[in-house]
Amino acid sequence: DIQMTQSPSTLSASVGDRITFTCRANQNINNWLAWYQQKPGKAPKLLIYDASNLGRGVPSRFSGGGSGTEFTLTISSLQPDDFATYYCQQYDSYSWTFGQGTRVEIK
Amino acid sequence: QVQLQESGPGLVKPSETLSLICDVSGGSIRTDYYWSWIRQTPGKTLEWIAYIHHSGDSNSNPSLKSRVTLSADTSKNQLSLKLSAVTAADTAIYYCARHDTSHGLGKDWFDPWGQGTPVIVSS
Repeated sequence: DIQMTQSPSTLSASVGDRITFTCRANQNINNWLAWYQQKPGKAPKLLIYDASNLGRGVPSRFSGGGSGTEFTLTISSLQPDDFATYYCQQYDSYSWTFGQGTRVEIK
Repeated sequence: QVQLQESGPGLVKPSETLSLICDVSGGSIRTDYYWSWIRQTPGKTLEWIAYIHHSGDSNSNPSLKSRVTLSADTSKNQLSLKLSAVTAADTAIYYCARHDTSHGLGKDWFDPWGQGTPVIVSS
């Protein structure tokens, strides 16, 4: 199994901050990576696919980067609606595994 | 815009079989799309369970394969998941989700997701 590790587990930030967090794979997954946002009591919602492509209707303040084994999700100017948990997910060769999540909380 | 809605018993006894339904609206399951079941444990870990295509093509997570039965009912536009011999470790929120890709099966992400249905395994 491909293992995904996210860091940090929790990130405290303020509205307007630029924040970046990381997802690492234990083997090369090229750019086969998605990012999801999950709010309490809701299903995960797709933000980014193929490591850097924005999902439909996703605000442009979200951006993804990286390839191979290290990936990032950046929020350029944190909005009140962005306080949530973010998960990465790899999809390399009929294998789908998720990171453990990064929770973004209000500082 | 396709929408997915899961439903299930809520509470299942250990060793019994869990049966879940995913109703798909706003689009037919009789398309090229694949559909997956994913669960989220109380500790928030997300785990892919299995996928199915309306043609019957399906596959499961090796860790669950022996206990998983999938089906797709095109007349009802529904997907179903049965998980046998459940234990407390199967307590989770169960989601159905559509695969999306521009590269083909195996190189795909999940979008959209249903709202999820909680399942507790307890006597």
